[in-house]
Amino acid sequence: AQSVSQHNHHVILSEAASLELGCNYSYGGTVNLFWYVQYPGQHLQLLLKYFSGDPLVKGIKGFEAEFIKSKFSFNLRKPSVQWSDTAEYFCAVNAEGTTDSWGKLQFGAGTQVVVTP
Amino acid sequence: GAVVSQHPSRVICKSGTSVKIECRSLDFQATTMFWYRQFPKQSLMLMATSNEGSKATYEQGVEKDKFLINHASLTLSTLTVTSAHPEDSSFYICSARGPGRTYEQYFGPGTRLTVT
Repeated sequence: AQSVSQHNHHVILSEAASLELGCNYSYGGTVNLFWYVQYPGQHLQLLLKYFSGDPLVKGIKGFEAEFIKSKFSFNLRKPSVQWSDTAEYFCAVNAEGTTDSWGKLQFGAGTQVVVTP
Repeated sequence: GAVVSQHPSRVICKSGTSVKIECRSLDFQATTMFWYRQFPKQSLMLMATSNEGSKATYEQGVEKDKFLINHASLTLSTLTVTSAHPEDSSFYICSARGPGRTYEQYFGPGTRLTVT
């Protein structure tokens, strides 16, 4: 079965610092990739997604992610974080041509990001 | 657009009783909905995939007789936790697959179930 790994479980950084969260997956076929964010007390919201085309995708709130097929990675970045970016971030993968055909997502364990003022 | 609601947001029930949680797509039709369980400080664990008009597909290790899923319409899926026990206490989240040929999922706000 395919798996999704997020390398950092907990990240603490100061406002204006740059953020990069790692995400790797194990499936060798075609994938659809997502980053979701869960702010404290709120439901999951889509930050950005990659289906095909330009491997550098831009999402909401200044986030971007780069799909590197050879590395099976989809890392999330933000050049300058704000206190309001404090949240939990989840990477998710849909593997086409598998039992994920109904659109099932495999989620990573999540990374808790805390931005200090 | 693409709003998903869940009801109730919070429920407390006694051990041995059953609880029903509703998941609705408010402004789009969702042929496929998903039910997740989220433990504190952990990721989402997919419980089952719910397709309108057919039986749900459960993930390995999830008891289908305990977690009954009904996707009776294109905008409503329900999860019934039968004969609930304290270990069923958790945060249950539903999502709906977006309209068209998209694999994007839209998530509900979740239901906090506490079994006493």
